[in-house]
Amino acid sequence: AQTVTQSQPEMSVQEAETVTLSCTYDTSENNYYLFWYKQPPSRQMILVIRQEAYKQQNATENRFSVNFQKAAKSFSLKISDSQLGDTAMYFCAFMKHRADYGGSQGNLIFGKGTKLSVKP
Amino acid sequence: EAQVTQNPRYLITVTGKKLTVTCSQNMNHEYMSWYRQDPGLGLRQIYYSMNVEVTDKGDVPEGYKVSRKEKRNFPLILESPSPNQTSLYFCASSLSVGETQYFGPGTRLLVL
Repeated sequence: AQTVTQSQPEMSVQEAETVTLSCTYDTSENNYYLFWYKQPPSRQMILVIRQEAYKQQNATENRFSVNFQKAAKSFSLKISDSQLGDTAMYFCAFMKHRADYGGSQGNLIFGKGTKLSVKP
Repeated sequence: EAQVTQNPRYLITVTGKKLTVTCSQNMNHEYMSWYRQDPGLGLRQIYYSMNVEVTDKGDVPEGYKVSRKEKRNFPLILESPSPNQTSLYFCASSLSVGETQYFGPGTRLLVL
C-alpha cells in the first residue's frame, strides 16, 4: 500500500524568506501523480502544485516549486519570497496513474500535513 | 461560477439518526470523492467515483454509503452515525482521475 510522510509537523519562516517542506512517499508504482494542497485558516483546500511522475521537469507555479526526486521517492515544496498569506496547512498527496490498472486508480492518499507560519 | 457545493455546512445529530450530506458540482467532472479530516490525521478518503454508477472504497469506508446516479451529484450517507464519525467532511471533484481536484467548503459534523 502507498503511504505519504510529511516529517515536519510545524514550520515557521520570516516574511520574504524561502522555506522548503518535505514529503516522501512509498510506492511500487512507476506512474503516478503527486500534489501539494494548501489549507488556510478558512479550511478551504486549494491546489498548489501538481506533478506527473513520468515528467522529468519539476513543476512550478509562480513562487511555488517542487524538487521531485523519483528514485528517492521525495517530493518537496519550496516557497520563495514567503508572504503572510502563505500561512496554512500544507498537504502532500499521491495518486496512482489512471493508465495503471488493478484497482485503486482513484485512491488519493494524503500526508498528515505541515503547519506553516509566516512571521512578519 | 464553477464550484463544488456541500450541504449542510454544519450539522449536529445524535447517534443512530440517519443523515445525508449532499455534494454537487457544476463543472461536468467525471471524478468525485469524499474525505474526512481529523486533527493529526490529515485527510483520509472515504469513497470515490470514477464516473456515473461507478464507485469504489477509499481508505476509511466503514459506516458510510455513497451513490452516483447522475454526474453532478455524489451524496454521502451515514445510515447509523456514531460519535467516531464526528469530523470535517470534504467533497471534491476533478475532470478525470489524476487531474486537479476542486474541493467543496466542508461540512462539520458532530454526532452526540
